[in-house]
Amino acid sequence: DSGVTQTPKHLITATGQRVTLRCSPRSGDLSVYWYQQSLDQGLQFLIQYYNGEERAKGNILERFSAQQFPDLHSELNLSSLELGDSALYFCASSVEGGAPVFGPGTRLTVL
Amino acid sequence: KNQVEQSPQSLIILEGKNCTLQCNYTVSPFSNLRWYKQDTGRGPVSLTIMTFSENTKSNGRYTATLDADTKQSSLHITASQLSDSASYICVVSGNFGNEKLTFGTGTRLTIIP
Repeated sequence: DSGVTQTPKHLITATGQRVTLRCSPRSGDLSVYWYQQSLDQGLQFLIQYYNGEERAKGNILERFSAQQFPDLHSELNLSSLELGDSALYFCASSVEGGAPVFGPGTRLTVL
Repeated sequence: KNQVEQSPQSLIILEGKNCTLQCNYTVSPFSNLRWYKQDTGRGPVSLTIMTFSENTKSNGRYTATLDADTKQSSLHITASQLSDSASYICVVSGNFGNEKLTFGTGTRLTIIP
């Protein structure tokens, strides 16, 4: 158990729908990162938040958005879902400059 | 463009044998390099982290090396075990705050009995 929790573990939905993925960072970590990993692909950085503010943005689609709340948990919202959005979505957290610690991931299947 | 390339893409070895995975990067500026192990369907787990001034770092049967001049790193696994079967990902940070992490696509290692 890394200390980073993600819910739900699995999510099955249809094209065009909207889903929300949730992440709770390790206690004390102010940074939260979101990554997407498609089947047999590498990890793609989506976005990073630090203490509630967006710090860095990667290859995040306009249909996706995220936020970090005052209690430091984060949500990743995916809308107008397409088949190609099916992937593992990982959340990671870290202290400033520390190694990102990854959660168990949410497996999203879009049918 | 910042890139991290890993080789080989996949590797199959017998249990008990040693192996070495390679990572070449073009990330600049350079802050640190990490090796992660990712079991199938699980989140990556950090194995080692090395900064510019470190050449070698060990974590049990895992030994990572870094040559900052040639921008190369290797991960050596000794006396492999079945549980070492996983993907190994090289991650390079361009700054202290982790805003510029560049991930390699990984080496998929399979240990066979």
